[in-house]
Amino acid sequence: NAGVTQTPKFRILKIGQSMTLQCAQDMNHNYMYWYRQDPGMGLKLIYYSVGAGITDKGEVPNGYNVSRSTTEDFPLRLELAAPSQTSVYFCASSPPDRGPREKLFFGSGTQLSVL
Amino acid sequence: AQKITQTQPGMFVQEKEAVTLDCTYDTSDPSYGLFWYKQPSSGEMIFLIYQGSYDQQNATEGRYSLNFQKARKSANLVISASQLGDSAMYFCAMRANSGGYQKVAFGIGTKLQVIP
Repeated sequence: NAGVTQTPKFRILKIGQSMTLQCAQDMNHNYMYWYRQDPGMGLKLIYYSVGAGITDKGEVPNGYNVSRSTTEDFPLRLELAAPSQTSVYFCASSPPDRGPREKLFFGSGTQLSVL
Repeated sequence: AQKITQTQPGMFVQEKEAVTLDCTYDTSDPSYGLFWYKQPSSGEMIFLIYQGSYDQQNATEGRYSLNFQKARKSANLVISASQLGDSAMYFCAMRANSGGYQKVAFGIGTKLQVIP
């Protein structure tokens, strides 16, 4: 039972490079989220999706893009990486239930440095 | 708009004592869910407890309880009999409808340190 799988775990980018953070879940969850966590701070929502083909911006979407072509996968694309995008990135998923079952399941995170 | 506020950047508690971590929220959605997550120094996010907006009773999970005061829009986490392993960051979060779909927002967290 893999849960939420994020790759890579660590990455160093040069300014201006692009990359895709991968996220996959095997729980058939409708909702998927991308958050970033700066050192000593909380989680800020970048993008989220309520199902295949449906995505929406969170509070800090600039510099990122997402797509959701399948229920399982929700990749996050960084275009033209900037030092301000140095952060830990978390992917999460949740079922459409309401109640205690609606908790978020998190991946292990991707630590990204842009130099 | 959806907002979560945690006003305690850091807290200390003596081992075996109880501690309350504060969380207030704001949303216009009448149906919402509130969560607390723990993040130890290893970095993973650990779910602790959930409270639904229509739940009549405060949620409890072992040593964790959620003091839900709906009229005050408050969802404080109470940890009883603190243990050294409780030292971590604690995040309050809320699922609500904000300008479109349901989404989950987090507070900035409280760093709890348990003193032997």
